[in-house]
Amino acid sequence: GESVGLHLPTLSVQEGDNSIINCAYSNSASDYFIWYKQESGKGPQFIIDIRSNMDKRQGQRVTVLLNKTVKHLSLQIAATQPGDSAVYFCAEKGDAGNMLTFGGGTRLMVKP
Amino acid sequence: GAGVSQSPSNKVTEKGKDVELRCDPISGHTALYWYRQSLGQGLEFLIYFQGNSAPDKSGLPSDRFSAERTGGSVSTLTIQRTQQEDSAVYLCASSLVGDPNYGYTFGSGTRLTVV
Repeated sequence: GESVGLHLPTLSVQEGDNSIINCAYSNSASDYFIWYKQESGKGPQFIIDIRSNMDKRQGQRVTVLLNKTVKHLSLQIAATQPGDSAVYFCAEKGDAGNMLTFGGGTRLMVKP
Repeated sequence: GAGVSQSPSNKVTEKGKDVELRCDPISGHTALYWYRQSLGQGLEFLIYFQGNSAPDKSGLPSDRFSAERTGGSVSTLTIQRTQQEDSAVYLCASSLVGDPNYGYTFGSGTRLTVV
């Protein structure tokens, strides 16, 4: 994962377009992955998760893709809406211990 | 409770004063985590509790920072002799160890401003 403490990268998309947010994770033994959404002034909220025995999982307007070969995780948001504007974090759970390791986050800005 | 509760939601303090931040996790959640988030940045891990013990304190930035958890429930993060660089949002999360759906539930945070 990315180092914490860096300024967040920003993705700007037009309302109605699809968004893709990417994350590179660090531990090849990680077996569980989560995407969180953080709106301004709030704590991160769970969006969708995926286990390492899957490569794709779909929710309502969101899809998570997992590529274990290159240790890459992505979040796809269909028909992006202004309410999707937020910071998005990926997190991974390794094969030992109970900790989640968070990526550095990506800010999504939706233009009307 | 239904969610993770943090108090106060906002705290303004003078440089050099001590502050206490409180986290009330979801009832039954055995694991509790503290993170710090500076403006426009990612999550910085501070400390993790399993029950009342803290197996991992590696993220505490200095000896001015300490945390405790009592009764396997409420946790307090204490910052002594606050400095301006301590200004940030302090987030608490809890989880149920052993739950296969393993995500953390976060509180809304305490925004600390040191003036």
